[in-house]
Amino acid sequence: DTGVSQNPRHKITKRGQNVTFRCDPISEHNRLYWYRQTLGQGPEFLTYFQNEAQLEKSRLLSDRFSAERPKGSFSTLEIQRTEQGDSAMYLCASSSPGHYYEQYFGPGTRLTVT
Amino acid sequence: QKEVEQNSGPLSVPEGAIASLNCTYSDRGSQSFFWYRQYSGKSPELIMFIYSNGDKEDGRFTAQLNKASQYVSLLIRDSQPSDSATYLCAVNYGGSQGNLIFGKGTKLSVKP
Repeated sequence: DTGVSQNPRHKITKRGQNVTFRCDPISEHNRLYWYRQTLGQGPEFLTYFQNEAQLEKSRLLSDRFSAERPKGSFSTLEIQRTEQGDSAMYLCASSSPGHYYEQYFGPGTRLTVT
Repeated sequence: QKEVEQNSGPLSVPEGAIASLNCTYSDRGSQSFFWYRQYSGKSPELIMFIYSNGDKEDGRFTAQLNKASQYVSLLIRDSQPSDSATYLCAVNYGGSQGNLIFGKGTKLSVKP
């Protein structure tokens, strides 16, 4: 399968713990995006990378959130000191050069903070 | 505030009918428009995109764009029960090179 993959698919954590999610984009795609989706809402943009450079971050991305894409391939999203309001589906998407807005999503990581 | 508005539905149509889904957007700088289908518990799937005014057809799907009215729609012909899902409209944010703004989605139910 050559689609976007995300791990883990589900994560349950206690408030105050740190969590890290991984995204592997489609191999020829140089852009990688992180979105967050809560029930009844559309995805909300968090940040995106072109190769290893983080080019844009949403104001939704508080200082407890950090994302990396060290070698321009996979990316990680870390949430420190999780809060119950962080419970959501975290979606990763990727796109190819020249087709940046045609974004293809992975299956998502569902985070539950108890 | 950049916004994308959709009727949340549910929109119910009988099998074989045409389903019409609508979306309006606030940013006149937007140039790219997308429709995603999302089944319950799954991630969004890109099904159509349109960049120019007018119609774009792909199989049973037709996307329509009117930039003057800031309006984009999706028509699904010969609707099938398998089309039952939430349809998300997404628009690029004119001040960004990567940010898509999504509506809340319209839930479509196709009754056999």
